[in-house]
Amino acid sequence: EAGVTQSPTHLIKTRGQQATLRCSPISGHTSVYWYQQALGLGLQFLLWYDEGEERNRGNFPPRFSGRQFPNYSSELNVNALELEDSALYLCASSRPGTGETQYFGPGTRLLVL
Amino acid sequence: GEDVEQSLFLSVREGDSSVINCTYTDSSSTYLYWYKQEPGAGLQLLTYIFSNMDMKQDQRLTVLLNKKDKHLSLRIADTQTGDSAIYFCAESKDDYKLSFGAGTTVTVRA
Repeated sequence: EAGVTQSPTHLIKTRGQQATLRCSPISGHTSVYWYQQALGLGLQFLLWYDEGEERNRGNFPPRFSGRQFPNYSSELNVNALELEDSALYLCASSRPGTGETQYFGPGTRLLVL
Repeated sequence: GEDVEQSLFLSVREGDSSVINCTYTDSSSTYLYWYKQEPGAGLQLLTYIFSNMDMKQDQRLTVLLNKKDKHLSLRIADTQTGDSAIYFCAESKDDYKLSFGAGTTVTVRA
């Protein structure tokens, strides 16, 4: 069974641009979570999508947004990129229901110049 | 500061046991997790423990939970060079998000 996949693996953008990151969950998983792993800040919860709806978001500005498609894959969009957005963005998925174990993808490394 | 706290570094000799410690804050957390991150990679789920358990063993891994002290530990028996990685302790908060520690970098020396 395939795990969580993310694309692209690396992304280089300049300040002010927009970045789009993609995630495909494990088959049968309906929830997708996004986390940011920035140097010195650790792993921070960004967004949670379930059944196509944004269920909750972490303490990030509105320029971090996303969506979940009918096939449960998800996109994370970061607008007006800032240098401090440089980080590893990790996607995780879980089975339906709260409290289910989250399985992570390999991440997208975003570098903002 | 972090809700979940871990020591930052651990150096262990190949073949010895490694013990990684973690303290968490939310007594209502239902599950506690250990994830492993190798250089340049995502997070690999190693094991988890339900909050009403005090121990879980899975091959070379033993998780101990002291709920009274909010202390979690991961013991890796017969540590190998492939165990060199960053290990994250995480608690499940509000049943939807994981709150992670800063990670413990484990270095296995020959």
